Amino acid sequence: NAGVTQTPKFQVLKTGQSMTLQCAQDMNHEYMSWYRQDPGMGLRLIHYSVGAGITDQGEVPNGYNVSRSTTEDFPLRLLSAAPSQTSVYFCASREQSHTEAFFGQGTRLTVV
Amino acid sequence: GENVEQHPSTLSVQEGDSAVIKCTYSDSASNYFPWYKQELGKRPQLIIDIRSNVGEKKDQRIAVTLNKTAKHFSLHITETQPEDSAVYFCAASRGFKTIFGAGTRLFVKA
Repeated sequence: NAGVTQTPKFQVLKTGQSMTLQCAQDMNHEYMSWYRQDPGMGLRLIHYSVGAGITDQGEVPNGYNVSRSTTEDFPLRLLSAAPSQTSVYFCASREQSHTEAFFGQGTRLTVV
Repeated sequence: GENVEQHPSTLSVQEGDSAVIKCTYSDSASNYFPWYKQELGKRPQLIIDIRSNVGEKKDQRIAVTLNKTAKHFSLHITETQPEDSAVYFCAASRGFKTIFGAGTRLFVKA
């Protein structure tokens, strides 16, 4: 099993550019989420989904869009990148609400 | 909004000593409390979790305690080893929404 796979691992964007961070899981988990990790601030929830077609906002949703057309995929879109979005992004999935979250390997994004 | 506070932000102990990390949460409806360990450059991984109907749980050198009245939970690591050096995150969950603490960087000196 691949688990949770994120692409790309590293990305540099110019301010104003758009891009999509990809996340895929092969564990048939209903629940998926996106976090950003900044020094001294831990993991902050951006958006999450409890199943295909269902998404909701987390703590820091501004500047990010998500969609969930399939159980496997949960892409995160930056419509107009800003330097404040420089961070490490983690995608996670879990089977049920009170179970372990499995994280992807992370995407290190730099916006210049 | 929901909030999880974690202390200390940095903790340095001698090998063999115990380490304690404390967290408080604001959402009284939270009912699942996992702890994750993140080694440098790697993804977070679950080390132990506790549900709201349990006050304490132990797994070898790691234990977690929960005080729902005070909305407080703690991670205890005994007989620390150099490989325990990492960043530890607590989290509080309500349904599918999980909020993490800011993390504690643990250094275990040999």
